[in-house]
Amino acid sequence: DTGVSQNPRHKITKRGQNVTFRCDPISEHNRLYWYRQTLGQGPEFLTYFQNEAQLEKSRLLSDRFSAERPKGSFSTLEIQRTEQGDSAMYLCASSSLDGAPQHFGDGTRLSIL
Amino acid sequence: GNSVTQMEGPVTLSEEAFLTINCTYTATGYPSLFWYVQYPGEGLQLLLKATKADDKGSNKGFEATYRKETTSFHLEKGSVQVSDSAVYFCALSDSTYKYIFGTGTRLKVLA
Repeated sequence: DTGVSQNPRHKITKRGQNVTFRCDPISEHNRLYWYRQTLGQGPEFLTYFQNEAQLEKSRLLSDRFSAERPKGSFSTLEIQRTEQGDSAMYLCASSSLDGAPQHFGDGTRLSIL
Repeated sequence: GNSVTQMEGPVTLSEEAFLTINCTYTATGYPSLFWYVQYPGEGLQLLLKATKADDKGSNKGFEATYRKETTSFHLEKGSVQVSDSAVYFCALSDSTYKYIFGTGTRLKVLA
């Protein structure tokens, strides 16, 4: 069990640029979740996958955001035309079964200049 | 909709003091309840959980009891240590198993 891995740890970019984050879940975990955490707040749900199927998306996930999980393994979260308000910590979590506790990665901190 | 409310921090205690961090929730159905801890520069770690009413979750000296009648899941520890300094998040898992978190409570323990 190597844990949930997220890359990069930090991303600094200019407003209007596209960014992509990667999450590698614990192997054999079929559920994968993305959350966003802003300073002083708790994580907020963005989207989740069961295997390769994206089953739910939050209203927070605007059209500029897209997530994929090809082959049901790693996942990517892309933000197009970044805005100042996208600055946050993006967290990935995975779990093995319905209702099993989620295991979180250390997150990717996005800073928009 | 579902929601979680936590007491605001920061909470500052002396070592060996008793800790309570309040958490109440609003939910339809019977959610599972969790406490996660976030140490500086690290990701969220599961501290304890409870899946049904009257369950008590416990770990590392921390405890929380799922109280359906008061919709609460307060975190307690009898004697805190400096190493317990962190941010604590209460969360519920809804019917689709995604989490809804509280805003977090920062705990600072002084030697």
